[in-house]
Amino acid sequence: AQSVTQLDSQVPVFEEAPVELRCNYSSSVSVYLFWYVQYPNQGLQLLLKYLSGSTLVESINGFEAEFNKSQTSFHLRKPSVHISDTAEYFCAVTEGTGRRALTFGSGTRLQVQP
Amino acid sequence: DTAVSQTPKYLVTQMGNDKSIKCEQNLGHDTMYWYKQDSKKFLKIMFSYNNKELIINETVPNRFSPKSPDKAHLNLHINSLELGDSAVYFCASSQDYGFGQPQHFGDGTRLSIL
Repeated sequence: AQSVTQLDSQVPVFEEAPVELRCNYSSSVSVYLFWYVQYPNQGLQLLLKYLSGSTLVESINGFEAEFNKSQTSFHLRKPSVHISDTAEYFCAVTEGTGRRALTFGSGTRLQVQP
Repeated sequence: DTAVSQTPKYLVTQMGNDKSIKCEQNLGHDTMYWYKQDSKKFLKIMFSYNNKELIINETVPNRFSPKSPDKAHLNLHINSLELGDSAVYFCASSQDYGFGQPQHFGDGTRLSIL
């Protein structure tokens, strides 16, 4: 069965500093990977996704993630964060066979400080 | 125009009561989901419907019963509410049941059992 691990429950960082949120998954088959962001009292919003092709995917607001099959990772990065990036970030996976529902990691709280 | 809308946003009730949460999507999607987010922010799939047909039914107590009157609606009825049912319930939808389809989430329903 697939699973997702987000090792960091909280990541405090100063504004304009770079950040990396780590995500590792386990699966015996091919996977599709997602990062979702949840702002306070809101639902989840898709940030970016990896389905196939280039292993580096980017979002419109400066985040990027790289699929590394050998390390079974899909870490999220941003070179310079803003206060408005403060939110909960969830890594999720769905396998290329069988069920399509997302399996989520436990989330990482990104706290951007001025 | 809200894409995935849930009502109510907050639900406070006593143990033993029966309650329903409604979900509607105006995206023209075929597939809808219910997720439960616990107090530690952990998200887990409960149910999924594709074209009004139940396709995922996780190990959820029988007290939870989803109903899909049409493709645009997926409601969740909960009987004999228990303290452990306190959580945020998210509805989501995707274009279809294809692999790797991104899911669009509602803002959640915060259920509190007294």
